[in-house]
Amino acid sequence: QKEVEQDPGPLSVPEGAIVSLNCTYSNSAFQYFMWYRQYSRKGPELLMYTYSSGNKEDGRFTAQVDKSSKYISLFIRDSQPSDSATYLCAMRGDSSYKLIFGSGTRLLVRP
Amino acid sequence: DVKVTQSSRYLVKRTGEKVFLECVQDMDHENMFWYRQDPGLGLRLIYFSYDVKMKEKGDIPEGYSVSREKKERFSLILESASTNQTSMYLCASSLAGSYGYTFGSGTRLTVV
Repeated sequence: QKEVEQDPGPLSVPEGAIVSLNCTYSNSAFQYFMWYRQYSRKGPELLMYTYSSGNKEDGRFTAQVDKSSKYISLFIRDSQPSDSATYLCAMRGDSSYKLIFGSGTRLLVRP
Repeated sequence: DVKVTQSSRYLVKRTGEKVFLECVQDMDHENMFWYRQDPGLGLRLIYFSYDVKMKEKGDIPEGYSVSREKKERFSLILESASTNQTSMYLCASSLAGSYGYTFGSGTRLTVV
């Protein structure tokens, strides 16, 4: 079993929809949680990060962490065609600088 | 704007060749990483370095080596390229204790 599980998609939604992307993990030591966005033929770019449990909002994006369920989510409101990309979750423990990545969910926002 | 620069976007090499992938960062980051990315497998860590001349094996180091002679430069070496090393290679860097990595644009390597 992988340490971090992520549905590969693809997830196809109409423009303006609310998108929910999720990851589950097995290592209870994980404390830092991140979401990366990767456009085709580009490297991943950091989108959101949170420490421990809770919510964080940045514009149209909200990241949620539920450590009791070992479940993290990224919500995108009012989705745009420019949001079409692969979204990768990543996480690590306090004493490690090594990130563990999910395999990514491909999102397509249709105009 | 901070940057991680990978020397080549696309490379085609022959089986058995020694291949060098170069990565340079201009952010004075302590940590540097090499990942490969394959469909369905996500990002897998090959090697990382937390200081000049220091290196640690990641999850899939077999067939690879690294060199970090200067803080800003981290090289990945394929000692004898094989077709199963055809992949997208991503370099990243981070500050000690920071949240996440800054990635380069990647090198798509094809071994024929």
